[in-house]
Amino acid sequence: DTGVSQDPRHKITKRGQNVTFRCDPISEHNRLYWYRQTLGQGPEFLTYFQNEAQLEKSRLLSDRFSAERPKGSFSTLEIQRTEQGDSAMYLCASSPGTENYNSPLHFGNGTRLTVT
Amino acid sequence: GNSVTQMEGPVTLSEEAFLTINCTYTATGYPSLFWYVQYPGEGLQLLLKATKADDKGSNKGFEATYRKETTSFHLEKGSVQVSDSAVYFCALNTGNQFYFGTGTSLTVIP
Repeated sequence: DTGVSQDPRHKITKRGQNVTFRCDPISEHNRLYWYRQTLGQGPEFLTYFQNEAQLEKSRLLSDRFSAERPKGSFSTLEIQRTEQGDSAMYLCASSPGTENYNSPLHFGNGTRLTVT
Repeated sequence: GNSVTQMEGPVTLSEEAFLTINCTYTATGYPSLFWYVQYPGEGLQLLLKATKADDKGSNKGFEATYRKETTSFHLEKGSVQVSDSAVYFCALNTGNQFYFGTGTSLTVIP
């Protein structure tokens, strides 16, 4: 179990630029989640995948955000035309993906985005 | 809807003090409940979980009991250590989504 890996750890970009983050989940996990966390807040749900299918997307998520998981393994999260309000920690998590309510999420260490 | 409410921090305790962090929830159905811990610069780590009413989750001296009648899942530890300083998040799982509280920052001073 190598854990959930996220890349990069930190990203500084200028407003208006596009950024892409990558997440490699635990290899046998079918479900992959993206969360956003701002200072002093808990993780806010963005979207999740069951294998390659994106099953749910937060209604609060701007259409500038898009996520993919093309082969049901790693996932990418892209933010287009970044805004200063996008500055946050972006967390990826995975789980075994059954309908089992007991399965916890396993988190990566996150990608910290700063938009200047 | 589904939501989690945690006591606000920050909480500062002396080493070996007793810790309680309150957590209450609102959920449809019968969720599983979790406590996660986040150390500076790291992602969230599972601390403990409980899957049904009256279950007690425990790990590293921390405990929490799933109380359906009061919709609560309070975190307790009898004697905290400096190494317990972190942010603690209560969460519930309805099957598809996890809902997190806003977190409670704990600082333990020697």
